[in-house]
Amino acid sequence: GQQVMQIPQYQHVQEGEDFTTYCNSSTTLSNIQWYKQRPGGHPVFLIQLVKSGEVKKQKRLTFQFGEAKKNSSLHITATQTTDVGTYFCAGLGTGNQFYFGTGTSLTVIP
Amino acid sequence: NAGVTQTPKFRILKIGQSMTLQCTQDMNHNYMYWYRQDPGMGLKLIYYSVGAGITDKGEVPNGYNVSRSTTEDFPLRLELAAPSQTSVYFCASSYSGLHGVGTDTQYFGPGTRLTVL
Repeated sequence: GQQVMQIPQYQHVQEGEDFTTYCNSSTTLSNIQWYKQRPGGHPVFLIQLVKSGEVKKQKRLTFQFGEAKKNSSLHITATQTTDVGTYFCAGLGTGNQFYFGTGTSLTVIP
Repeated sequence: NAGVTQTPKFRILKIGQSMTLQCTQDMNHNYMYWYRQDPGMGLKLIYYSVGAGITDKGEVPNGYNVSRSTTEDFPLRLELAAPSQTSVYFCASSYSGLHGVGTDTQYFGPGTRLTVL
């Protein structure tokens, strides 16, 4: 079946350092959505990208959708303690199924 | 608006028991979803609905049933609980799916933590 993998699985950074998580799908996706989930909480929508090669920014966060629409990345500049949580990518894949990635857990050390 | 509400918050079931997880949204969204999240893992789609009276299977539908009789409610039924169904269950809704299921902002409920012993 289709898989959506994210690397790294865990990342510890010092506050102020940058952070990047990569999302890779085994097949083409119609879209990419990114969600953030705080410990013990529920996923919260961050952004959606639809076009091949699309790049979007939200303050310190930069999101990219690959040219082949099989990969994506989320980059956070100058992390803050409020960035702590698990970041998931998700997208519509083959067979009209919606898949979440495996997630990257971010810890920010003050 | 309350958004997406789920009940109960926690539940412990014995093997073979049945239960219904309730989900209600007050945003007049057409699309509703049920996901399960196993510890330390991503979410997996169980079932979804694009409107009242219409439901479809997600990636992991076995052992579950759903119905959508109104726009607001989307209950998830477990008929014969098994330990493999121990998980956190999230309900979500979205206004539409512009390019198909899961292609609009999804709003999640707080989740139901289910343990099957």
